[in-house]
Amino acid sequence: DTEVTQTPKHLVMGMTNKKSLKCEQHMGHRAMYWYKQKAKKPPELMFVYSYEKLSINESVPSRFSPECPNSSLLNLHLHALQPEDSALYLCASSQSESSYGYTFGSGTRLTVV
Amino acid sequence: SQQGEEDPQALSIQEGENATMNCSYKTSINNLQWYRQNSGRGLVHLILIRSNEREKHSGRLRVTLDTSKKSSSLLITASRAADTASYFCATDASNTGKLIFGQGTTLQVKP
Repeated sequence: DTEVTQTPKHLVMGMTNKKSLKCEQHMGHRAMYWYKQKAKKPPELMFVYSYEKLSINESVPSRFSPECPNSSLLNLHLHALQPEDSALYLCASSQSESSYGYTFGSGTRLTVV
Repeated sequence: SQQGEEDPQALSIQEGENATMNCSYKTSINNLQWYRQNSGRGLVHLILIRSNEREKHSGRLRVTLDTSKKSSSLLITASRAADTASYFCATDASNTGKLIFGQGTTLQVKP
């Protein structure tokens, strides 16, 4: 299995909702990442997990809460989002931090209404 | 702030021509990577070049790295319509997983 699987592919949520994005990989990668990408912009790093521990938080607002339940799974819990948080959320994994290429999932297209 | 700046922002060529994209960055790096993204989907890793390497090839791709000028280029030879996509360079300065993407080049290959 050489894929990163993200669910759901599309999500529409209200500003008072709580939802979660899920990411799964079975490549034995020990680093996992969340990126946010707005239209026609590059991906922006949000969080880095290394060996299931949060190693980088790029000053992301607390309405985004990451979780790494085990080495194969990465979640992003969403609460009280704003319309400007609408974006493509990309998960990625790599063998370790940065010395190898990342494998990206196809993303979750999030719309906040 | 984004580490990499790419040019051109957009490139349109005919099938069979070569496409060259450039990336400049600001700080010392451990490696530089190139990715392709098709219309809002996930990114695909193309090639990684380490700071002690000057050139790398993979199929129709050729990447160069000039650390003295803090720049890299991606050459796609004999382009195909299927190469139409956005191409991003990404740099890691610290081996901490903080991979930062450039602004990207949008490539259109006309059949």
